[in-house]
Amino acid sequence: ETGVTQTPRHLVMGMTNKKSLKCEQHLGHNAMYWYKQSAKKPLELMFVYNFKEQTENNSVPSRFSPECPNSSHLFLHLHTLQPEDSALYLCASSQVSGAVIYEQYFGPGTRLTVT
Amino acid sequence: QKEVEQDPGPLSVPEGAIVSLNCTYSNSAFQYFMWYRQYSRKGPELLMYTYSSGNKEDGRFTAQVDKSSKYISLFIRDSQPSDSATYLCAMTSIINQGGKLIFGQGTELSVKP
Repeated sequence: ETGVTQTPRHLVMGMTNKKSLKCEQHLGHNAMYWYKQSAKKPLELMFVYNFKEQTENNSVPSRFSPECPNSSHLFLHLHTLQPEDSALYLCASSQVSGAVIYEQYFGPGTRLTVT
Repeated sequence: QKEVEQDPGPLSVPEGAIVSLNCTYSNSAFQYFMWYRQYSRKGPELLMYTYSSGNKEDGRFTAQVDKSSKYISLFIRDSQPSDSATYLCAMTSIINQGGKLIFGQGTELSVKP
């Protein structure tokens, strides 16, 4: 276990549903990330939160809405998704401290299928 | 041109072989380099983390960085069937806000008994 947990592990939803993905890190890190992983493509960074503040939105459609209530929890709210949004959604955390960058630790992911 | 290029494979080797996995990159500002291993239906697991140029060894794994050539490698000695996975290279620089990582596509490795 990496110290990063994600729920649910699998999710099937219709295009009109609203659902949320949850991520929790037990590592004391101050930065959290959402990634999308589709088959045969590099990991795509979606959102970055440093100290609970969103510092990056990588041109993600508004049907994906992140929330970071504290430095240990991260949510991804989903609504009116499209079939092409089906993918593995990965959460990661790391420690960011001034001029030093530390490695990112990933959760197991949520396998999302949009029908 | 992609910032990070990685041969997607698949790469198939017999058990006990030495495996070489490689990535090239275009951004000379990259200073931090990582290798992740991802088993099927799992999240990526950090294997190696190196800063700037040079070699780093951990058991059967050696990470090598050549900044002059913008080329990084991961060597696996005495490969085992349990090493069968997808290997992802990732890199970043201090300029990238929040430590944003740029990933390669991943190389799928299969080690045959």
